[in-house]
Parts: sequence; C-alpha cells; structure tokens
Amino acid sequence: SQKIEQNSEALNIQEGKTATLTCNYTNYSPAYLQWYRQDPGRGPVFLLLIRENEKEKRKERLKVTFDTTLKQSLFHITASQPADSATYLCALEGVTGGGNKLTFGTGTQLKVEL
Amino acid sequence: DAGITQSPRHKVTETGTPVTLRCHQTENHRYMYWYRQDPGHGLRLIHYSYGVKDTDKGEVSDGYSVSRSKTEDFLLTLESATSSQTSVYFCAISEKGQILREQYFGPGTRLTVT
Repeated sequence: SQKIEQNSEALNIQEGKTATLTCNYTNYSPAYLQWYRQDPGRGPVFLLLIRENEKEKRKERLKVTFDTTLKQSLFHITASQPADSATYLCALEGVTGGGNKLTFGTGTQLKVEL
Repeated sequence: DAGITQSPRHKVTETGTPVTLRCHQTENHRYMYWYRQDPGHGLRLIHYSYGVKDTDKGEVSDGYSVSRSKTEDFLLTLESATSSQTSVYFCAISEKGQILREQYFGPGTRLTVT
C-alpha cells in the first residue's frame, strides 16, 4: 500500500541553524510534492510545490529537493527562527482526473530554540 | 484563511445523532475537499467535489456523505455520529492547473462525539 513517512519525533534546533526535514514514500509515483506548515489549532498553509521533473525549488529561506529515485524529499529552512516553530507536512499528488487529491504525511514538529 | 469559513467551529454531540458541518468559500474555486485529522494518522481525505453536484469518495468515506448545491458551499454530514468520528475536520479548496495546484484550508471544526 502507499505510504508516506515523516519523522514523528520533534526536531529541536538552535536559532540560526538550518533545519532539515525528511519525507519518504513507498509504492507511489507522485507527479507533484507539496510542503505545508501547520500551527496548533489552525489549518495547514501551503509553502512550496515541486514537480517530479524538478530536482530543487527555493523560496526565500526555504528549499525543497525531490529525488524520485530515492523516493524522498528534503525540506530545508535556513537561518531558522523561533517563528519557524510549527509542524511541517509533506503531501503527494498523483496524476488523476478529478482534482488534485493529496495524500499527507503525519508531519514533523520543528522547535527552534533561542 | 483564503476566504474559507467553517461552521460550527466546535461541536459536542451524542452518539447516534446526525451532524452537518458546513464549508463556505468566497474564492470561486472549483474543487473542495473534506479532511479529518487525527493523532498518528495525519490528514485523511473523506470526500471531495470537482463541481456543483459532482462529488467523489476519498480514503475514509464510510459513515460520511457530502453535498454541493452551490459553488461556494460544501456540506459534510455524519448520518449517525459515532465516537470514532471524534476528530478535527478541515475543509480545503483548490483550482487545478499546471501552476495553481496548492490547497487552501479552512480553520477547522473540532467535533466531539460522546
């Protein structure tokens, strides 16, 4: 069956360091991969999308890589700040005819400490 | 929250009672989705809609029905609520295209079935 794995343990890092979050998947051939941020008590917020034929995508302090051979995406936050503390979700989308149905991972909680 | 509202925001109900959750959007997006989020499972798709009166099942549709009579409204109904349906429910919207594939989420409804 299709499976998406994100590290369930919280990631604690110091302010200013680079945070790297991992998303691994099996039995899936996604056409697109997305990353979302979720704060407690709120809905997820879209951050970045990367296509299967792209290796890397950047947006300000964020960088996403997508390795379809390893079936893995890495999400990097450089110069991390306490305000970056949140849960980060990866989501995969296959090629379908009815909307862009996403399958989400369970998320990794990031804590950036002063 | 990208012009998406959910009502009610919180609800406590008894086992066996019907419950309807409403999602309303002002973005005129074609696609609408209902998810539930539970610890250890992440976000799971219940039902989605790709147009007025056009709906389809998601991963965890048993015990739920939906209706969409207008572009802006997507209703989720629990015909006879069970304790296993205690969860946080999120509505999301999207368009589908090569560029605009991200989903925008509402604030969520916390449902408790006693």
